Amino acid sequence: GIQVEQSPPDLILQEGANSTLRCNFSDSVNNLQWFHQNPWGQLINLFYIPSGTKQNGRLSATTVATERYSLLYISSSQTTDSGVYFCAVHTSGGSYIPTFGRGTSLIVHP
Amino acid sequence: GAGVSQSPSNKVTEKGKDVELRCDPISGHTALYWYRQRLGQGLEFLIYFQGNSAPDKSGLPSDRFSAERTGESVSTLTIQRTQQEDSAVYLCASSLGRGVPLHFGNGTRLTVT
Repeated sequence: GIQVEQSPPDLILQEGANSTLRCNFSDSVNNLQWFHQNPWGQLINLFYIPSGTKQNGRLSATTVATERYSLLYISSSQTTDSGVYFCAVHTSGGSYIPTFGRGTSLIVHP
Repeated sequence: GAGVSQSPSNKVTEKGKDVELRCDPISGHTALYWYRQRLGQGLEFLIYFQGNSAPDKSGLPSDRFSAERTGESVSTLTIQRTQQEDSAVYLCASSLGRGVPLHFGNGTRLTVT
């Protein structure tokens, strides 16, 4: 099956810093989602981004499907950004079951 | 409803007992997924329902695990003869159909003592 790798596995920032999280995948995908799992365990949709670039406030994401990666940018990070960021992909091969990466754990210090 | 609803939010059970977890998807969502997340780990796929099609059970870890869904409504995940290794958060997600954004519930935290 498809392999989804996220990097870095862990990230520690000071409030106000910017960061880039990466999601690489091993096969063609129909779509890709980014999620934020907050410290209470809730999984929150950030972006549904099979290709192109989207922005939502301080967050933006870019997916380059032909090169099999997606990037999540966090600017001017805040302590509320702490948590784990997951990407999930649906392959083009017919399976509609999203495959998740292992996540990037982000801690933002005040 | 406004979002995916899961119950109970927490469940503590003794080893060997059966448990039933419930997921109420967003109204109109034909697809429903169950995932398991062990402490500090990623999401592990368990089972997928799409409308009235036969479910994809390929992720169920053993025959102690089963799930049902009636039409496009509530789903229940049943774990028989629970083991300590079953301790995890069980997450349910729904979507409008195949290959479209998933929406997760808040999960059920299962602790087997």
